[in-house]
Amino acid sequence: GQQLNQSPQSMFIQEGEDVSMNCTSSSIFNTWLWYKQEPGEGPVLLIALYKAGELTSNGRLTAQFGITRKDSFLNISASIPSDVGIYFCAGQLAGNNRKLIWGLGTSLAVNP
Amino acid sequence: DTEVTQTPKHLVMGMTNKKSLKCEQHMGHRAMYWYKQKAKKPPELMFVYSYEKLSINESVPSRFSPECPNSSLLNLHLHALQPEDSALYLCASRRTRGEKLFFGSGTQLSVL
Repeated sequence: GQQLNQSPQSMFIQEGEDVSMNCTSSSIFNTWLWYKQEPGEGPVLLIALYKAGELTSNGRLTAQFGITRKDSFLNISASIPSDVGIYFCAGQLAGNNRKLIWGLGTSLAVNP
Repeated sequence: DTEVTQTPKHLVMGMTNKKSLKCEQHMGHRAMYWYKQKAKKPPELMFVYSYEKLSINESVPSRFSPECPNSSLLNLHLHALQPEDSALYLCASRRTRGEKLFFGSGTQLSVL
């Protein structure tokens, strides 16, 4: 099935560092969603993006909807130990709002 | 309130057992979803209910049987499962197609 290219696959960083991850596709999307998931829990919605070029923040998190509508990135500033988890992007294809397409996730580890 | 409640949190069942997973939301969302998730992988869509009618079945084996008794409740009936069906089962809901998707905390299922 269709897939988003999410990178990096994993990151090991020091507390206080900034983090950046992104998702790209050859298809056009009309919605991007960013989730964080911790072990044994469901994904938690962090940020939703609906317009090309849109830049949205949620605390230390900032995400952007790429101007070409084929990509999105998520930045985390001044990371803390509780940022540990797997971050997933998910997109809604333009013209098809029945299913989300998911990235494979970015696993984040933060060294205190 | 963005809560989707799933029960039970954990379930262990034999291959001959019949069990049910339950999901509840009181956000007035009219689209409800079942996903299956293996460790460190993105969620995989199983079923979608829209206005209490089954609108998507992603070719899921008949040993999984969904049910939507009303607009707030979603069940997943399990019968004669296989060990490879062991996974985290996630319920999700959203107001309409194309909008934010909210997940429950999941049921961790082990099939022995």
